[in-house]
Amino acid sequence: EIVMTQSPASLSVSPGERATLSCRASQRISSFLAWYQQKPGQAPRLLIYGASNRATGVPARFSGSGSGTDFTLTISSLQSEDFAVYYCQQYNNWPRTFGQGTKVEIK
Amino acid sequence: QVQLVESGGGVVQPGNSLRLSCAASGFTFSSYAFHWVRQAPGKGLEWVAVISYDGKNKYYEDSVKGRFTISRDDSKNTVYLEVDSLRPEDTAVYFCAKDGFDYDTLSGFPIFDFWGQGTPVTVSS
Repeated sequence: EIVMTQSPASLSVSPGERATLSCRASQRISSFLAWYQQKPGQAPRLLIYGASNRATGVPARFSGSGSGTDFTLTISSLQSEDFAVYYCQQYNNWPRTFGQGTKVEIK
Repeated sequence: QVQLVESGGGVVQPGNSLRLSCAASGFTFSSYAFHWVRQAPGKGLEWVAVISYDGKNKYYEDSVKGRFTISRDDSKNTVYLEVDSLRPEDTAVYFCAKDGFDYDTLSGFPIFDFWGQGTPVTVSS
């Protein structure tokens, strides 16, 4: 099983600032990585797939990068609606596995 | 638009069973695989099971193998998860998620592109 490790566990950011979230895979997964956003009481929402491709309707302030084992999600200028938990997920192997999440909080 | 609506969750005693349903609309159901993903209270996301677009292939997370069964009824545009021999550690919100790969056009990506709102399962004596 591929273990996905996200850092930091939580991040305090002021609106308008940049947030950088990291995700590391325990083995190489090429670019088979997705990012999801989850707000309290809601289902997750797909943000990024293929490590760097934004899903339909996702604002351009969200960007993903990386390949192999190390990946990054960047939110260039945080808006109020971006405060949420973010999960990375690999789809290179079965079982599909998620990171433990990074909570982005208002500073 | 794509909609996934789960139902069937509830409060059950350890050892009991439930059947979760996921009714889909807004796309060609038979072209896609479907997954169940769960989230224990205050915890992260855990993939549970997948069924292929044609129902012929099914895979399960190790801790649920032999206890959970995923199925689909294309005539009803519905995916099911039979959950048997429930344990307290199965307590979670269970989400249905559509796979992003279209087997009709052979396009897209095998990611969870749309999710339902979830159905809660509580296992407690």
